[in-house]
Amino acid sequence: GDSVTQMEGPVTLSEEAFLTINCTYTATGYPSLFWYVQYPGEGLQLLLKATKADDKGSNKGFEATYRKETTSFHLEKGSVQVSDSAVYFCALSDSNTGNQFYFGTGTSLTVIP
Amino acid sequence: DAGVIQSPRHEVTEMGQEVTLRCKPISGHNSLFWYRQTMMRGLELLIYFNNNVPIDDSGMPEDRFSAKMPNASFSTLKIQPSEPRDSAVYFCASSPLAGQVTGELFFGEGSRLTVL
Repeated sequence: GDSVTQMEGPVTLSEEAFLTINCTYTATGYPSLFWYVQYPGEGLQLLLKATKADDKGSNKGFEATYRKETTSFHLEKGSVQVSDSAVYFCALSDSNTGNQFYFGTGTSLTVIP
Repeated sequence: DAGVIQSPRHEVTEMGQEVTLRCKPISGHNSLFWYRQTMMRGLELLIYFNNNVPIDDSGMPEDRFSAKMPNASFSTLKIQPSEPRDSAVYFCASSPLAGQVTGELFFGEGSRLTVL
């Protein structure tokens, strides 16, 4: 069945460091891929998305490219800020499974000044 | 525009009591999802509805849990009787598309349940 695997945390970085959070997926169809972010005490909110192979999603300095050949959707940011401290979830939605979403386990990021 | 609205935001109850969590999805969205989040298990899908019809409830932990969606603008998640291990944050989310090209999920702020 469909699933998402993301790197385990927690991740601690210094401000302005480069961030990569790995995400790979398994899907039966042609999924859309998402990164969601959860700030402390809040619900999840969409950070970026890509709906087909080779698409690049980007938002707030974060980027992720839909790589069908490696079934990956890694999240990157060139220079993190303290305000980026949050939990990041990789997710997919597969139209073959009736719009059901599959989330990874989440990766906690802490950025220290 | 109003987002997904959940109530109550916080609930503290004693073991054995009935708990009802409520959700109002975004108007026009035809998919609704209930998730549970704990430190140990992360984010778990409990049940989801398309056009008010339950599609997959395989994530509902046991018969103590039930969910309904009587109309397009309201859903409830009920736990009866509640147990301490049900303590978690329960999220409701809605989506604008059902069974077609997928859209993003819009989450509520969650209901934090503590069962003593």
